[in-house]
Amino acid sequence: KAGVTQTPRYLIKTRGQQVTLSCSPISGHRSVSWYQQTPGQGLQFLFEYFSETQRNKGNFPGRFSGRQFSNSRSEMNVSTLELGDSALYLCASSLGARGILKDTQYFGPGTRLTVL
Amino acid sequence: GENVEQHPSTLSVQEGDSAVIKCTYSDSASNYFPWYKQELGKGPQLIIDIRSNVGEKKDQRIAVTLNKTAKHFSLHITETQPEDSAVYFCAASRATGGGNKLTFGTGTQLKVEL
Repeated sequence: KAGVTQTPRYLIKTRGQQVTLSCSPISGHRSVSWYQQTPGQGLQFLFEYFSETQRNKGNFPGRFSGRQFSNSRSEMNVSTLELGDSALYLCASSLGARGILKDTQYFGPGTRLTVL
Repeated sequence: GENVEQHPSTLSVQEGDSAVIKCTYSDSASNYFPWYKQELGKGPQLIIDIRSNVGEKKDQRIAVTLNKTAKHFSLHITETQPEDSAVYFCAASRATGGGNKLTFGTGTQLKVEL
C-alpha cells in the first residue's frame, strides 16, 4: 500500500505571495492532518480534515487554510507569506473514524517551504 | 491546551548500550501516546505507541512505559545500533471522541556511536 505523498517536496516563495501544498493520504484513510515543523517551535498542529470538513484546528492565523476533496486528498494554502512561514509542512493521514481506540497517524515526507 | 515536555534534547550512547527518553504531559484527559522517529529528510515514522489503560508495551528492542498518576511516559531502546541514530519525538492526544490533534515534545537527537 502506498504511503502518504506530498507535493511539491521543495518550494521557494517570496514574502507576500501565496502557496498551495498538496497531500494524498493512504488509500482508505479519511482523515488528513497538517503540521508545521520549525527548529524553533518544533512540530505544531495546524488543522485536521475529515470527510471534507475541518474537524480540529490549531492556533495559527487565518492566513493558513485548507480543504479536503471527496477522494480525501487535501490541500493547504498559506496567503501573504511571511519569512517566519519558512518550515517543513507535514501531512499525516489516518482512518479517522470516531470512537476507534487508536487512530494512528502516518506522516508523509513533507514539503520544505522557504520564504525569501 | 496540552503541553508536552521532552528530555533530554540530545543523547549520545555507545553501540549496544540502552537509551531512555522521558516525556511529561499536562492534560489528564490525554489517553494516547505515540513515539515517532524522524530521520534526516524524512517525515516522522511511528515506532511504538501506548494507550492510557496500559502501563507498558514492548516491541523487540523498543519499550514504552506510562505513569498516568505522574503524567509521564518514557521510551526505552535496548542494544542500540547505529541505525537508531535519529530524532525521536513523543506526543500526546485524546484518541477517542473523534479528531486527531497530536501535541509533540521538542524532540531528542539520539546519536549511537560505534
